[in-house]
Amino acid sequence: ELKVEQNPLFLSMQEGKNYTIYCNYSTTSDRLYWYRQDPGKSLESLFVLLSNGAVKQEGRLMASLDTKARLSTLHITAAVHDLSATYFCAVGPELDMEYGNKLVFGAGTILRVKS
Amino acid sequence: DAGVTQSPTHLIKTRGQHVTLRCSPISGHKSVSWYQQVLGQGPQFIFQYYEKEERGRGNFPDRFSARQFPNYSSELNVNALLLGDSALYLCASSHRQGYGYTFGSGTRLTVV
Repeated sequence: ELKVEQNPLFLSMQEGKNYTIYCNYSTTSDRLYWYRQDPGKSLESLFVLLSNGAVKQEGRLMASLDTKARLSTLHITAAVHDLSATYFCAVGPELDMEYGNKLVFGAGTILRVKS
Repeated sequence: DAGVTQSPTHLIKTRGQHVTLRCSPISGHKSVSWYQQVLGQGPQFIFQYYEKEERGRGNFPDRFSARQFPNYSSELNVNALLLGDSALYLCASSHRQGYGYTFGSGTRLTVV
């Protein structure tokens, strides 16, 4: 059974600082997703990582994937208050690839950026 | 283009009642999936449908059922509601060879 673990579960940062959220998963997969969720809202897609060594960047967020280590990271550079949200990683197993993936989510990382 | 549309946005039900949640996928998307997100947790997979057939089922009791219609919209039904069914129910649609899902805004279900 695929398991996805995120850490830390809660992160309080000062504006301007850098930090990394880690996502480990238990079985082979080559699709890793990062989502953002604001309180009471739905999930906003941030990144889809499809292959080993993939790196994607959008603004102050950068995500990477190491399929051999079964590890993805979400790096935050020079945090600003607007980045405060809950961040989820999710892994799509190889089964059912033709019809879309069943996603297995981590527990989420609550990020609070303090001024 | 309209995104994934879910209705209703909020509802309150009493224990033992039945509820039907609705989802319209993005135009052209044929796969719809349902997830349950309990407060403070990550979403949990309930069902996936493609071309009106169930393609996946998560670890949920038989009180949960779903179907997909010819226009690819979907309904999630929950019978004999329990307090523990209170959650945000998310619908997501994807292309046939999914690059990941686009999620709807969700239905907040409160069971009292």
